[in-house]
Amino acid sequence: SQQGEEDPQALSIQEGENATMNCSYKTSINNLQWYRQNSGRGLVHLILIRSNEREKHSGRLRVTLDTSKKSSSLLITASRAADTASYFCATDNFNKFYFGSGTKLNVKP
Amino acid sequence: NAGVTQTPKFQVLKTGQSMTLQCAQDMNHEYMSWYRQDPGMGLRLIHYSVGAGITDQGEVPNGYNVSRSTTEDFPLRLLSAAPSQTSVYFCASSLNRGGGYTFGSGTRLTVV
Repeated sequence: SQQGEEDPQALSIQEGENATMNCSYKTSINNLQWYRQNSGRGLVHLILIRSNEREKHSGRLRVTLDTSKKSSSLLITASRAADTASYFCATDNFNKFYFGSGTKLNVKP
Repeated sequence: NAGVTQTPKFQVLKTGQSMTLQCAQDMNHEYMSWYRQDPGMGLRLIHYSVGAGITDQGEVPNGYNVSRSTTEDFPLRLLSAAPSQTSVYFCASSLNRGGGYTFGSGTRLTVV
């Protein structure tokens, strides 16, 4: 499978703590993206990092990419209850776009 | 600006029936894709299109057909529904290669 794999599968933290999710993938990529999915809804694009970038920030989100290890991480700082959702990494494999199985994040108030 | 619109939202089919899931976007996006989401398996790419008249297969294309006669529409046809096709189907579009995708709200399909 071309899919990325997220780790951990599930994560439960207290509000205010940081949440870190990891993604590993198998093949060369054009870029890597992270998406959020609230229960019963479609996916929402969070952030995109290109293969020649190592780190990117957007608000409380920080994404890193290590192409030598074929891995990425998503850090959500100062988490809120509203961050409770599933998070997916997706790899842009030159026209084909593959998703991992996701990390389910629960932020307890 | 409606984004990506999928219809219907829910559908129950009997085994062997055929149907078309509709997807339309009003953002003039070139790239469109269909995914299915099953519990614990993330999203799997069924078919994708890089522009009107151009389609290609993804990871799990068997049992599905697509066409792209216009930039706006990308329907997914189930030829002969099977219980294994019970899933949530998402359509997504992107302005160009390498861009972020906008997703529809999904179609929940049950095949009995």
